Amino acid sequence: KQEVTQIPAALSVPEGENLVLNCSFTDSAIYNLQWFRQDPGKGLTSLLLIQSSQREQTSGRLNASLDKSSGRSTLYIAASQPGDSATYLCAVHEGPDSNYQLIWGAGTKLIIKP
Amino acid sequence: DVKVTQSSRYLVKRTGEKVFLECVQDMDHENMFWYRQDPGLGLRLIYFSYDVKMKEKGDIPEGYSVSREKKERFSLILESASTNQTSMYLCASSLDGITYEQYFGPGTRLTVT
Repeated sequence: KQEVTQIPAALSVPEGENLVLNCSFTDSAIYNLQWFRQDPGKGLTSLLLIQSSQREQTSGRLNASLDKSSGRSTLYIAASQPGDSATYLCAVHEGPDSNYQLIWGAGTKLIIKP
Repeated sequence: DVKVTQSSRYLVKRTGEKVFLECVQDMDHENMFWYRQDPGLGLRLIYFSYDVKMKEKGDIPEGYSVSREKKERFSLILESASTNQTSMYLCASSLDGITYEQYFGPGTRLTVT
């Protein structure tokens, strides 16, 4: 059974630093992996989706990488800003035959200190 | 842009009441989902639907039912609300095809007293 883990559970860094959030999964037979952002009390915003055939995706200051063989994905945030403070979740999709479900990590709560 | 809307941001109901949570998406997505999110438990799938009038149980369907009469609308029903159903409820939708990327609504914070 697929399991998704995000470490650390919380991270606090000064503004301006580059940082990496980690996501690991136990079964490499994934269809794609999606990174989300959630602000307190709000819904989820999709940040990046990486297909299983891709190695990375970029959007602005965000870069997500995928290494299926090692069961890992990282979300790189460049030049962090206080507005980046949020909880970041990763989720794995195992394909159309998996009843469309996402397998979720527990999230990393990120605090950027001004 | 995909837009997923939920009928209420905050809702307070009494134990035993019947509660309807509504979700509407405007991008003609086939798939729609209802999750609940609780501290320490993460997101858990309650029900999903891959077509009109079609539904599948997720991980925690007990105490809930759903309705999908039109493609754009997916309703979650708490037949008799209980205090342990106090939670954040999130609706999502996705399009069949290459990515199945899920898009979320703003959430409904439900309190059952």
